[in-house]
Amino acid sequence: AQSVTQLGSHVSVSEGALVLLRCNYSSSVPPYLFWYVQYPNQGLQLLLKYTSAATLVKGINGFEAEFKKSETSFHLTKPSAHMSDAAEYFCAVSEGSNYQLIWGAGTKLIIKP
Amino acid sequence: GAVVSQHPSWVICKSGTSVKIECRSLDFQATTMFWYRQFPKQSLMLMATSNEGSKATYEQGVEKDKFLINHASLTLSTLTVTSAHPEDSSFYICSAPVAGGGTDTQYFGPGTRLTVL
Repeated sequence: AQSVTQLGSHVSVSEGALVLLRCNYSSSVPPYLFWYVQYPNQGLQLLLKYTSAATLVKGINGFEAEFKKSETSFHLTKPSAHMSDAAEYFCAVSEGSNYQLIWGAGTKLIIKP
Repeated sequence: GAVVSQHPSWVICKSGTSVKIECRSLDFQATTMFWYRQFPKQSLMLMATSNEGSKATYEQGVEKDKFLINHASLTLSTLTVTSAHPEDSSFYICSAPVAGGGTDTQYFGPGTRLTVL
């Protein structure tokens, strides 16, 4: 069965520092992988997705993620954090075109001034 | 990107009443829509898959008689919480997939916060 693990329910970084949010998955077939961001009291916005093309995926707002099959990981990074990046980040996996997503528990990103 | 709207964004109701939440795809047609529930500080829980022109498919443990789903057109799905109770208070989010690029990406509505008194 598919599962998604996000390490750390809260991650705190200083403004300007590197952001690293971890996501590991388990899947019996090559997966599709997604990162979504949720700002307070809002729905989810797609940051980026991996669809078996390039392993390094660039998304919006300067985020990128690298698919590492050997590590079954899809960690999200951003070189320099901004205050506006403070939000909840969710990693999700889908095994095919049935559209259903399996969600990680989410990581709250806190940006310190 | 594709736009999905929800209405209302926020609703308070008395226990025992019913509440209808609308989910609309504004610039594309959606034969399938998903309804999620999100508890505070938790991830999303898929409640059901809404299929245009047919019955919704509910996830295990979700009461279909309590959470009525109607997908009447290619741009509208509704979730009705019947006889609402305080434990139904939650953030309800819908999504619709858009095909493209070899995979399907879900676009999410802004969510509806339901508070049952």
